[in-house]
Amino acid sequence: NAGVTQTPKFRVLKTGQSMTLLCAQDMNHEYMYWYRQDPGMGLRLIHYSVGEGTTAKGEVPDGYNVSRLKKQNFLLGLESAAPSQTSVYFCASRKDMTVGNTEAFFGQGTRLTVV
Amino acid sequence: GDSVTQMEGPVTLSEEAFLTINCTYTATGYPSLFWYVQYPGEGLQLLLKATKADDKGSNKGFEATYRKETTSFHLEKGSVQVSDSAVYFCALSANTGANSKLTFGKGITLSVRP
Repeated sequence: NAGVTQTPKFRVLKTGQSMTLLCAQDMNHEYMYWYRQDPGMGLRLIHYSVGEGTTAKGEVPDGYNVSRLKKQNFLLGLESAAPSQTSVYFCASRKDMTVGNTEAFFGQGTRLTVV
Repeated sequence: GDSVTQMEGPVTLSEEAFLTINCTYTATGYPSLFWYVQYPGEGLQLLLKATKADDKGSNKGFEATYRKETTSFHLEKGSVQVSDSAVYFCALSANTGANSKLTFGKGITLSVRP
C-alpha cells in the first residue's frame, strides 16, 4: 500500500536554481493537490488538479508551476527558487467529489530549504 | 469563500486531562468536515470525519459532532495520552458544485506531558 509518495524528502537549493517535486499516487484518484506548510500559516493550497491534463491555481500559486500529464502523477516545479519558498510541501489526493469519497490522503512531505 | 477557524494554540495538557479543540466553519451548502492529525516529521492523516449535520465522527477516543446550527465541529477526547501530542487540523470539503478544494484551518499544536 504505497498511497501517496513524494520525492525527494529533503532538498537544499541555492537561490535561482530550479527543481521539480514529484507526487505519485496509486489509488486511481482524480483529484490531486499541492500545499505548503509554514509555521503559523497552516496549509496553503498552491495548485490543484481535478483530472489528468487539468490544473488550476490555488491560494499561493506565484513562483510555482504544475503539470498532470498522467493521472497518477502531479509535478510541482520551481523555476527560480527564492528563500521565501523555503517550506514543507505536501501532496494530497482524493478519489472524487461524491459524499464519502472526499477524504484526502497525504504524502510524507518534502522539506525544501532555499539558501 | 469557504473558511475554517480553529482556536489559537498551542495547548499543553497533563496526561488524562480532557481535551476540547474548537473549530468553526463558513461554507455554502453542506460540506463534509474532517479532523486531520500530523505527528512530528510526518504527513497529515485522517483522524475522523462527518458528512452531514448531526453526524458524529469518532476514532482513537476522539469525537466530533457536525453542528450545522452553530457551524462547528469541535474535537474532544475524554483522557489524553502523551502519544496524542501532535498538530491537529480541522478541514472542510464542499460536496457539490465547482469547488473542489479542501480548506484547512491553521492547525493547533497539542503537547501532553506525563
